[in-house]
Amino acid sequence: IAGITQAPTSQILAAGRRMTLRCTQDMRHNAMYWYRQDLGLGLRLIHYSNTAGTTGKGEVPDGYSVSRANTDDFPLTLASAVPSQTSVYFCASSALGGTEAFFGQGTRLTVV
Amino acid sequence: ILNVEQSPQSLHVQEGDSTNFTCSFPSSNFYALHWYRWETAKSPEALFVMTLNGDEKKKGRISATLNTKEGYSYLYIKGSQPEDSATYLCAFCGTGNQFYFGTGTSLTVIP
Repeated sequence: IAGITQAPTSQILAAGRRMTLRCTQDMRHNAMYWYRQDLGLGLRLIHYSNTAGTTGKGEVPDGYSVSRANTDDFPLTLASAVPSQTSVYFCASSALGGTEAFFGQGTRLTVV
Repeated sequence: ILNVEQSPQSLHVQEGDSTNFTCSFPSSNFYALHWYRWETAKSPEALFVMTLNGDEKKKGRISATLNTKEGYSYLYIKGSQPEDSATYLCAFCGTGNQFYFGTGTSLTVIP
């Protein structure tokens, strides 16, 4: 059982470049989320999607976009990366109704 | 921005000690409160999902309580062991099904 998979595992990116972080789940969960983890700030919600075809903004959406073309995939795009987007990014999924979230292994992104 | 607060930020206890952490969250638009355990270099894993005021959940030596009217939850660890060392996160789930996390409590159990 794969669960939820993120790619790449880590990436060093030049500032100004475009980057897409991939997230795929095989649990048929309706809801998917993107978080960033920063020291002292915990996990902050970037964007979410409660069902295919819909997305919403979280706490820190600026500089990021998402799409949800189907149930399984929820890519996160940085249109023009900046150093402040250096972080560890976690994708998660859950069934609707407040049930537990399952997390990917994280993507460590460094913008230089 | 939704305010989910956890205290203390970090905790060092001796093996065998019992300990507890606090999570406070908004009492409006409540749907569920989650506790997660997060070990270094791993992903967070769910411990408890609580939805009803007065809920109490238990898993081995770890238990949690929920008060939705006043907006707080406690996580208790009885007889702490070194393998309990981790960061413990709480997450508020509102009626929109988004999860908002606290900054976590980092627990270190000293053998």
